[in-house]
Amino acid sequence: NAGVTQTPKFRVLKTGQSMTLLCAQDMNHEYMYWYRQDPGMGLRLIHYSVGEGTTAKGEVPDGYNVSRLKKQNFLLGLESAAPSQTSVYFCASSYGDDTQYFGPGTRLTVL
Amino acid sequence: KNEVEQSPQNLTAQEGEFITINCSYSVGISALHWLQQHPGGGIVSLFMLSSGKKKHGRLIATINIQEKHSSLHITASHPRDSAVYICAVKDDKIIFGKGTRLHILP
Repeated sequence: NAGVTQTPKFRVLKTGQSMTLLCAQDMNHEYMYWYRQDPGMGLRLIHYSVGEGTTAKGEVPDGYNVSRLKKQNFLLGLESAAPSQTSVYFCASSYGDDTQYFGPGTRLTVL
Repeated sequence: KNEVEQSPQNLTAQEGEFITINCSYSVGISALHWLQQHPGGGIVSLFMLSSGKKKHGRLIATINIQEKHSSLHITASHPRDSAVYICAVKDDKIIFGKGTRLHILP
């Protein structure tokens, strides 16, 4: 099993550009999550999904959109990137409301 | 006031020492998680607990629901234990602490 994978691992964007981060899991987990991690702050939940076709807002959803068209994939989109979105993004998945398994992270820089 | 407070923020110890990391929270919770973030950035879930105590190898996690406090202990610490340890509490949402950076010297 690959577990939770994220692509890309690194990306540099210019302000206003758009991009999509892909999270994939092969554990048949229902729940998937997108977090951001910034220096001096704890992980913060952006959006999450409790099943295929469902999404919900987390703590810091503004500026991001998500989609869960397939159970194994959870996409995070930035429509118009801003420097404040420079961060490390982690995806996670879980079987129900249980232990979360994290991806390796995506380091995004917005210039 | 942060809803999840960890102490200490940073800890340096010698190999072999007994390590304790504390987590206090101010909200009602259904579960508490301890996570380990490696120097390379990867995050691994260590424990999820809602009462009592759990043990895995040299790691022990305890929780006192009445006192809203949890501790993570590492026995016979080793340089490979050097990492950031993160406490997270879960009720209707999940809230993460800022982490404790542990450095074990050989």
